[in-house]
Amino acid sequence: SQQGEEDPQALSIQEGENATMNCSYKTSINNLQWYRQNSGRGLVHLILIRSNEREKHSGRLRVTLDTSKKSSSLLITASRAADTASYFCATVLFQGAQKLVFGQGTRLTINP
Amino acid sequence: NAGVTQTPKFQVLKTGQSMTLQCAQDMNHNSMYWYRQDPGMGLRLIYYSASEGTTDKGEVPNGYNVSRLNKREFSLRLESAAPSQTSVYFCASIISRGAEAFFGQGTRLTVV
Repeated sequence: SQQGEEDPQALSIQEGENATMNCSYKTSINNLQWYRQNSGRGLVHLILIRSNEREKHSGRLRVTLDTSKKSSSLLITASRAADTASYFCATVLFQGAQKLVFGQGTRLTINP
Repeated sequence: NAGVTQTPKFQVLKTGQSMTLQCAQDMNHNSMYWYRQDPGMGLRLIYYSASEGTTDKGEVPNGYNVSRLNKREFSLRLESAAPSQTSVYFCASIISRGAEAFFGQGTRLTVV
């Protein structure tokens, strides 16, 4: 079974608005990562937050992590049409080797 | 610097045929991974290799075998393809524990 679950599964907003995606997971983690996937392409890493961090920023991205609730959120501010993509959270478990376990993703559509 | 390269990009197989998906990375990464992506399922881990010479099963290993040929290359073999293996396959690599993953562009496999 998959570790993470994203919410919502799909999100459609107007350009310029903020987009928030949530991720919940089940077990203790070492870190949590967010990835972006454009249609028909591979995944691209966006941001990583460690288990001892609560918030992290990168450009228009803001990620929060609440380990007590086993949840994370990704906020994209001032969205652009080019942000249209699927976004995945991935929890990182250290079980001998590192295992990256993905959620089902949020499909984000930015309407011009 | 090509990153992670997967071949082929597309493949159609008949049920029962065998094939090997190739993955190579030129970033001197230690760990490599094979995922499959199905609609609505996110990415599921098939096999991974923490380092050259080691391989381990992931979430959905049945019907697959892998070979970590050297540090650069990690191949995925389908011995007797089944329609349930129709999917998009992604290879990824990580330089060390706790780091971000780099993905290939994927192999779209259809088994008829």
